[in-house]
Amino acid sequence: GENVEQHPSTLSVQEGDSAVIKCTYSDSASNYFPWYKQELGKGPQLIIDIRSNVGEKKDQRIAVTLNKTAKHFSLHITETQPEDSAVYFCAASSGGTYKYIFGTGTRLKVLA
Amino acid sequence: EAQVTQNPRYLITVTGKKLTVTCSQNMNHEYMSWYRQDPGLGLRQIYYSMNVEVTDKGDVPEGYKVSRKEKRNFPLILESPSPNQTSLYFCASTPLPGADTQYFGPGTRLTVL
Repeated sequence: GENVEQHPSTLSVQEGDSAVIKCTYSDSASNYFPWYKQELGKGPQLIIDIRSNVGEKKDQRIAVTLNKTAKHFSLHITETQPEDSAVYFCAASSGGTYKYIFGTGTRLKVLA
Repeated sequence: EAQVTQNPRYLITVTGKKLTVTCSQNMNHEYMSWYRQDPGLGLRQIYYSMNVEVTDKGDVPEGYKVSRKEKRNFPLILESPSPNQTSLYFCASTPLPGADTQYFGPGTRLTVL
């Protein structure tokens, strides 16, 4: 079946450094790729998303890149801050199936 | 305030005792979904609903039931809970499935003894 692989599972960076999280998807029909941030005791919240007709999208310190040929997409966080510490999930979806497939999550720790 | 609410937030029960976790959204979204979150496995889709009276299985539907009698509500039913259903459960809704973000509820932590 369809799956999304996410790496790394944990990531520690110094405050101010950049963090990169990578995901690979298997379903070539996937056309929507959101990234979620989950803080302790809360539900996941969207931080950025990208659609298959776009290769890159940026929102202040956060950017996402998509390589459809290789079927992978990445989250880039620059100038990390302690409040960026959380669990991040990638996901892939296709409007035709109504299903969202999530990665297994990355626990990001930003060290002050 | 636009939101997805779930109740209860925490529940401890025993094997075999039927339970229902409620989910409600006030954003008039047609699409709603249930997930379970387990360590190392991420979020796995249990059931989803495209509209009132229209539901379908996700990746891990065994042991769960859902209903969608009203647009705003999407309860998750465990007819005979077992310990392997101990998990953190999230309800979500979206206006445009597969092409727009999902809005998640705060989660329900379920323990089945």
